[in-house]
Amino acid sequence: EVQLVESGGGLIQPGGSLRLSCAASGFTVSSNYMNWVRQAPGKGLEWVAVIYNTGTTYYADSVKGRFTISRDNSKNTLYLQMNNLRADDTAVYFCARGYCSSTSCHPVWFDPWGQGTLVTVSS
Amino acid sequence: EIVLTQSPATLSLSPGERATLSCRASQSISRSLAWYQQKPGQAPRLLIFEASNRATGIPARFGGSGSGTDFTLTITSLEPEDFAVYYCQQRSNWPPITFGQGTRLEIK
Repeated sequence: EVQLVESGGGLIQPGGSLRLSCAASGFTVSSNYMNWVRQAPGKGLEWVAVIYNTGTTYYADSVKGRFTISRDNSKNTLYLQMNNLRADDTAVYFCARGYCSSTSCHPVWFDPWGQGTLVTVSS
Repeated sequence: EIVLTQSPATLSLSPGERATLSCRASQSISRSLAWYQQKPGQAPRLLIFEASNRATGIPARFGGSGSGTDFTLTITSLEPEDFAVYYCQQRSNWPPITFGQGTRLEIK
C-alpha cells in the first residue's frame, strides 16, 4: 500500500527554522516526482515545491531562497527545510507524489497525499 | 501567474441531484487542469487530470470537461460522501502552479 506520513511540524518563532519529513512506503521516493503543498488554516491550497527523480527542483516564488526540498534515498524520505519562517508560512504542509496513470507519471498532478503536518509561526 | 476562479463559492444540493462546478482560468491553459476533492480534516484527493481523465479508482459519476479557459466538474448523481470542498488546479507553463479558491458542496 502506498503511504505518506509527514512529521516535524510545530510552533516556531518568526525567523526560525524547521525541517519537515515525509516518510514514504509502498514506493520509492527517488524514482518519483515528489511535492510539498500547503494549506493555511481555513484557506485554499498552495503548491510549495517539487523534486524530480533526476533531482531537479522547482519552488513557488513565495518560498524561493528560504525553503529547500530534498530527499534521503536510504530512508525513502522526503524533506522540506524551512528557514527564515514568517507568519504567513503558517499552514498544514502536505507531501504528495506526482500522480502516475497507467501510461505515465506527472510531476504536478498530486496523488497520493499524506495527512499533513501543522506548522505555526508565531511569537 | 494564472488565476483560477471557481464558481459558485457554495453549492447546496440534495443527494441524487446533479452538481455542476465551474473553474475559469485567467488565460488559456489548454487542458492542463485537475480537480481535487477535500473532506474536513483530510488531505485532498485527485479526481480528474488533464481536464477530463478520471484518476484511478474515481467513480464514473465524476466527470470533467472543458479546454482553454472554461472547465466544468460534473457529478451526475450525488452520493452522501460527495459533499466536500472541490478545488481546481492548473499546471500550464509552470511554475507557478495555482489552485482555485474552492467550491463548497453542501447538503441542502
